[in-house]
Amino acid sequence: DSGVTQTPKHLITATGQRVTLRCSPRSGDLSVYWYQQSLDQGLQFLIQYYNGEERAKGNILERFSAQQFPDLHSELNLSSLELGDSALYFCASSVDTGDSPLHFGNGTRLTVT
Amino acid sequence: GQSLEQPSEVTAVEGAIVQINCTYQTSGFYGLSWYQQHDGGAPTFLSYNALDGLEETGRFSSFLSRSDSYGYLLLQELQMKDSASYFCAVREAQAGTALIFGKGTTLSVSS
Repeated sequence: DSGVTQTPKHLITATGQRVTLRCSPRSGDLSVYWYQQSLDQGLQFLIQYYNGEERAKGNILERFSAQQFPDLHSELNLSSLELGDSALYFCASSVDTGDSPLHFGNGTRLTVT
Repeated sequence: GQSLEQPSEVTAVEGAIVQINCTYQTSGFYGLSWYQQHDGGAPTFLSYNALDGLEETGRFSSFLSRSDSYGYLLLQELQMKDSASYFCAVREAQAGTALIFGKGTTLSVSS
């Protein structure tokens, strides 16, 4: 158990809808990362937060947004969903923004129909 | 920007040794990490190399050559449970402090 909690585990929704994915980092970790993993694809970096502030941005679509709250949990909001957004979304946390290992949650599997 | 290249698939038999290579191109380099992911599961950290040389952790070792922008993960005494995807990753300057992953190598271990 990595200590990172992601909810929900599974999400099925229709095109055009909006969903929110939630992540609670490991106790003591200040940094939260979001990754998208499509079928047979690698881990695509979306966005990183550190202690409530956005720290780095990857190939995150404008339809997607995220935030990290004062209690350090994070939410990833996906709107105007398309079929191609179906993927496994992982949250990871680390102690800092340096070379500390990332600890991944079990992911949220999003299916857009 | 950055790019990481690693083989898409590797096959081996139980008890064998396998090496998974990773070459990278980055604008600024901090270190090379390796993660393991079993099918549909969460990636887990295996190793990190910031300096040239070999790091050994049990049956797994990782190597880095900064001058060659190259590293590898060495898995010894392979077991069926080692069947998984293995990702190399770099933290590089232009991506801020984010960890950028390669596309992964799927290792299949047979008996």
